[in-house]
Amino acid sequence: DVKVTQSSRYLVKRTGEKVFLECVQDMDHENMFWYRQDPGLGLRLIYFSYDVKMKEKGDIPEGYSVSREKKERFSLILESASTNQTSMYLCASSERTYEQYFGPGTRLTVT
Amino acid sequence: LAKTTQPISMDSYEGQEVNITCSHNNIATNDYITWYQQFPSQGPRFIIQGYKTKVTNEVASLFIPADRKSSTLSLPRVSLSDTAVYYCLVHDSSYKLIFGSGTRLLVRP
Repeated sequence: DVKVTQSSRYLVKRTGEKVFLECVQDMDHENMFWYRQDPGLGLRLIYFSYDVKMKEKGDIPEGYSVSREKKERFSLILESASTNQTSMYLCASSERTYEQYFGPGTRLTVT
Repeated sequence: LAKTTQPISMDSYEGQEVNITCSHNNIATNDYITWYQQFPSQGPRFIIQGYKTKVTNEVASLFIPADRKSSTLSLPRVSLSDTAVYYCLVHDSSYKLIFGSGTRLLVRP
């Protein structure tokens, strides 16, 4: 069965902290994605990666960076967390970009 | 730029057929339209995808007119467990991913 796991379901961080969100997939997928989901705004793409060490900016990359050193792992980094980055973060992977498998999400609160 | 539009919410009763339409202009001419279902506290789950005309699987049907400016997800005989948020996903002409804003479906007994 397809599996995408995220390192934490809930996370509380302080303003200014560096935050790492980890995502691992076990399907040998080429593509991986990071989204954030906010009420009334739906899912917004932050970054995606179509291969190891490759990354592309999505709609809202400001304040975020990513790392993909291994095919199965895609990390989202908040360089200096701010309160407006409080959100639900969803990771997904796919063999093709239109059939994505999502993880359970990480609800991040920045105080 | 492509833009998608979905109804914010819909109400239905068990056993009814539900049709949710997503309007999408300026989408990629040779790419699929995909629909996802999301329950609270979970990530979205793939339901169905199509390119044109009609696609049916064990869960839903997807209707896409020839101009591909919209798509309609059809859920036959919904049950309480179909209460969820439904999203369409398309690519615009530059292959940028565009998620719809989601339709919250409430199925009543």
